[in-house]
Amino acid sequence: GDSVTQMEGPVTLSEEAFLTINCTYTATGYPSLFWYVQYPGEGLQLLLKATKADDKGSNKGFEATYRKETTSFHLEKGSVQVSDSAVYFCALTQPGGGKLIFGQGTELSVKP
Amino acid sequence: ETGVTQSPTHLIKTRGQQVTLRCSSQSGHNTVSWYQQALGQGPQFIFQYYREEENGRGNFPPRFSGLQFPNYSSELNVNALELDDSALYLCASSETGQGYRETQYFGPGTRLLVL
Repeated sequence: GDSVTQMEGPVTLSEEAFLTINCTYTATGYPSLFWYVQYPGEGLQLLLKATKADDKGSNKGFEATYRKETTSFHLEKGSVQVSDSAVYFCALTQPGGGKLIFGQGTELSVKP
Repeated sequence: ETGVTQSPTHLIKTRGQQVTLRCSSQSGHNTVSWYQQALGQGPQFIFQYYREEENGRGNFPPRFSGLQFPNYSSELNVNALELDDSALYLCASSETGQGYRETQYFGPGTRLLVL
């Protein structure tokens, strides 16, 4: 069945450092891909999405490109802030909606 | 526009009891999905409701059941609670329609502790 694999955390960075969180997937067809962020004690917030190959999703300085050839959707940010400290989840869903399949999450800690 | 809301925010139950969690979908959304998130894990799909019917179910036993109401709000019921049911329960709403690549928007969750 479909699955999502993320790089293990925690990831610890200094403020203004470059961030990459790797995400690869296994799925049939052409799923939609998402990044969600979860701040401590809260639910999930949609960060960005891409619905077809070569689409780039972006929001709040974060971006990720849907790479069909490498089945990847890596999250990047050029300069992280302390406020970006959270757990980041990569997820996919098949066309027509239905269940989201999540990776295990990657915890990011940004130090001043 | 009102986002997804869930109630209660926290709940403590004992093993064997029953619990009902509630979710109000975002304005304009007709589909509700429920997820269970154990500590330190990614959310796991429980089931989805569309037009008051179950529209897909994950690998959860029948003691997990749900309802969707005409106003698209939803309930998750869990019978015969077990210790392993302790988790954050997340509700997500979306708009199902032909040709849509539906995006799910999450509520803040209900944290359930089973003692």
